[in-house]
Amino acid sequence: KNEVEQSPQNLTAQEGEFITINCSYSVGISALHWLQQHPGGGIVSLFMLSSGKKKHGRLIATINIQEKHSSLHITASHPRDSAVYICAALPSYNTDKLIFGTGTRLQVFP
Amino acid sequence: GAGVSQSPSNKVTEKGKDVELRCDPISGHTALYWYRQSLGQGLEFLIYFQGNSAPDKSGLPSDRFSAERTGGSVSTLTIQRTQQEDSAVYLCASSPQGPQTYEQYFGPGTRLTVT
Repeated sequence: KNEVEQSPQNLTAQEGEFITINCSYSVGISALHWLQQHPGGGIVSLFMLSSGKKKHGRLIATINIQEKHSSLHITASHPRDSAVYICAALPSYNTDKLIFGTGTRLQVFP
Repeated sequence: GAGVSQSPSNKVTEKGKDVELRCDPISGHTALYWYRQSLGQGLEFLIYFQGNSAPDKSGLPSDRFSAERTGGSVSTLTIQRTQQEDSAVYLCASSPQGPQTYEQYFGPGTRLTVT
């Protein structure tokens, strides 16, 4: 079993919909990252968080340390949000290396 | 400002040849990371440098893989005697300091194809 699991694997939405992507992890962590990988392959860091909630524009990331769970929300989704979203955990047992989820492929249609 | 750059962007090589992949991190970033993304697979950690030192080399897949960083800046990932399973996109990232406190900035990657 992977230490970091994401769901769903694939997600389609209509423009304007509220999107939620989930990430569960099985180890203690120092931090959790959310990344966006564009269709061309480029990767952008969206959030790094270790507690609570962060917001940037239409994106919101939350984490529940006790439940070992994080969510990425996209409000008022837009076709340009179409990408693969990846969560990655920095485990407490080795704070040098990120462990990646397998990603959620999101397609937003106009 | 300049981001993380990688070269070459694409590399096609014959099985058994050696290849060198280069990463130029953002100026002033002390931490540098190498990752691999095989076709249809997730990202995989390879190695992390803090300055010129690599505290964790556990992600390197075999002894054919090595990496170095000089002057706290440029890093080179070398794959000797390439195999077809080495075909992947190799990504470099950097951050101002270590991975516990900073987000990482990713380069565009080098797509390696071993024929």
